Amino acid sequence: KNEVEQSPQNLTAQEGEFITINCSYSVGISALHWLQQHPGGGIVSLFMLSSGKKKHGRLIATINIQEKHSSLHITASHPRDSAVYICAVNSGGGADGLTFGKGTHLIIQP
Amino acid sequence: EAQVTQNPRYLITVTGKKLTVTCSQNMNHEYMSWYRQDPGLGLRQIYYSMNVEVTDKGDVPEGYKVSRKEKRNFPLILESPSPNQTSLYFCASSFLLAGTEQFFGPGTRLTVL
Repeated sequence: KNEVEQSPQNLTAQEGEFITINCSYSVGISALHWLQQHPGGGIVSLFMLSSGKKKHGRLIATINIQEKHSSLHITASHPRDSAVYICAVNSGGGADGLTFGKGTHLIIQP
Repeated sequence: EAQVTQNPRYLITVTGKKLTVTCSQNMNHEYMSWYRQDPGLGLRQIYYSMNVEVTDKGDVPEGYKVSRKEKRNFPLILESPSPNQTSLYFCASSFLLAGTEQFFGPGTRLTVL
């Protein structure tokens, strides 16, 4: 069973700062997902990665398959970025669904 | 609009009273799943379905049942709810099991007294 670890668990930063959230996993995967959950509960998919790097607006996600590690970066952070960010993986092979990290609670202060 | 819907959004019930949480998607997705989210434990998979009439247990299936009679619907059934099933529940769907974007429902907050 894949083990997914995220760091940090909690992060408070000032508006405008560059944010990095890390995710590591223990077993090879077929895909890695970054999800965003705002207060109130809804979960939105931000990225799905199997290699390399993806960018969407101020968000960038990278993955290093050899090191079993992914990062989510937020440039020019804004209070509306305050949310819980969750890393999840599809393990390679088998019929397992997603395995989730416990999430990173991000607060961006004005 | 492409979406996953869940009903009800909030439910307070008592121990032992059977309940069903409905989930429906309009994207013709093959893969659907149920998760529960608890503080300190994160999201955990309850059951999943890879297609009509194909369902299998996730990590925490005890006390739950599911069915997949139609592609679009995947209800979660609690035959005899207990207080330890108080949680936030999410239904999700995707085109395939792996390597495709996950779409989540809005969540159902269940309290069992």
